[in-house]
Amino acid sequence: QITLKESGPPLVKPTQTLTLTCSFSGFSLTTAGVGVGWIRQPPGKALEWLAHIYWDDDKRYSPSLKSRLTISKDTSGNQVVLTMINMDPVDTATYYCAHLLCYDSSASYHEYFQHWGQGTLVTVSS
Amino acid sequence: NFMLTQPHSVSESPGKTVTISCTRSSGSIASNDVHWCQQRPGSSPTTVIYEHYQRPSGVPDRFSGSIDSSSNSASLTISGLKTEDEADYYCQSYDSTNHWVFGGGTKLTVL
Repeated sequence: QITLKESGPPLVKPTQTLTLTCSFSGFSLTTAGVGVGWIRQPPGKALEWLAHIYWDDDKRYSPSLKSRLTISKDTSGNQVVLTMINMDPVDTATYYCAHLLCYDSSASYHEYFQHWGQGTLVTVSS
Repeated sequence: NFMLTQPHSVSESPGKTVTISCTRSSGSIASNDVHWCQQRPGSSPTTVIYEHYQRPSGVPDRFSGSIDSSSNSASLTISGLKTEDEADYYCQSYDSTNHWVFGGGTKLTVL
């Protein structure tokens, strides 16, 4: 059974750096064909993809946030960490991590967020 | 990059069928998978359709997905609507460089 859980500070001040940790079980980031991503959702608004990291340490970032994000993995501890610098009140959101399943089917490559964590609300305020 | 546009809200009665559209702004809708997730109030998202029309185990066959190249859009159809289907639904896709895009979400009301 795959489970993911996000952890991090519930409140950060503007200009500070946010560090979020995704702790997961039921899969390993040393196994080919998996990844972990981060998606956020401001209150009452839509989901927004932020970044994801693959088993081989390849990474992808949202173009609009790339300069502020860093994603990394700790394979021994089954954790993925996302840092976001220069936090602003507009970054107030629930941050989700999700298990990314990557596979080949019908001679094509596919990936999708198969399992999601419960999310953690981060408020940016002075 | 492209955008995915969904209707803000739809509503239908229990037992009826509803279709939610997701239109891709540029590039072919068929060039990359479209997935759909359901987010009930106060809960995290769960996938109901992946790879355009595949259903994860546990998702009832009342949920179906399709794409239409002529309108460059994907659709999520829910038949035999139940009150428990009331939720926000998001389409998602990614481009050739594996950058993901989420639609703006559609609020389904079952009244």
